[in-house]
Amino acid sequence: QVQLQESGPGLVKPSETLSLTCSVSGSSMMKFYWNWIRQAPGKGLEWVGYVNSSGNTNYNPSLKSRVSISIDTSKDQFSLELMSVTAADTAVYYCARTTYFADGSSYPFDFWGQGTLVSVSS
Amino acid sequence: EVVLTQSPVTLSLSPGERATLSCRASQNVRSRSLAWFQQKPGQAPRLLIFGASNRATGVPDRFSGRGSWTDFTLIIDRLEPEDFAVYFCQQYDTSLIFTFGPGTKIDLK
Repeated sequence: QVQLQESGPGLVKPSETLSLTCSVSGSSMMKFYWNWIRQAPGKGLEWVGYVNSSGNTNYNPSLKSRVSISIDTSKDQFSLELMSVTAADTAVYYCARTTYFADGSSYPFDFWGQGTLVSVSS
Repeated sequence: EVVLTQSPVTLSLSPGERATLSCRASQNVRSRSLAWFQQKPGQAPRLLIFGASNRATGVPDRFSGRGSWTDFTLIIDRLEPEDFAVYFCQQYDTSLIFTFGPGTKIDLK
């Protein structure tokens, strides 16, 4: 049974850095892409970015200047850092797994964490 | 960047009816790059359809997807009470940038 679990502070002050970790169990971290996706209250889904097991990353262009995603395969964890946060970054943050195949197809976001609400407020 | 538009915003239906949800892309999307998700209140989204028309593991066969290029459709035959939820389409491009549509909510008529 694949399980993902987000952890980190639920409250971050404006201009500071949001840091979250996703712990993975029941799945090897190899050969998958590990994503962060967020959802502002009452809004739709926004992909933040991914890291693969080799440490290669890709980010949403709208967030690229402020975001960093890293992986620690020895701990079965990957992490998100979002810098210089504002109230607009208040959202439920999900971690999710994607399988991406060499032919360009994918099995996207097949497993998700339960999500963690991060509020940006002083 | 590919922009996805979904219609209608809200669909009011009764159990047993058929739901037809539309997802339109601002530019051509490879069918293998198009997926559909279901989200219920307080829950993470659930993958329903990948590659435009393939059901994910455990998804009932009353869910089907079709379409190509800029027009994609999710059909739910014979709505069950548990199907009342929000549905998102999602795509990724050749740069592996993922985008989601704004969602369609199916509510009880």
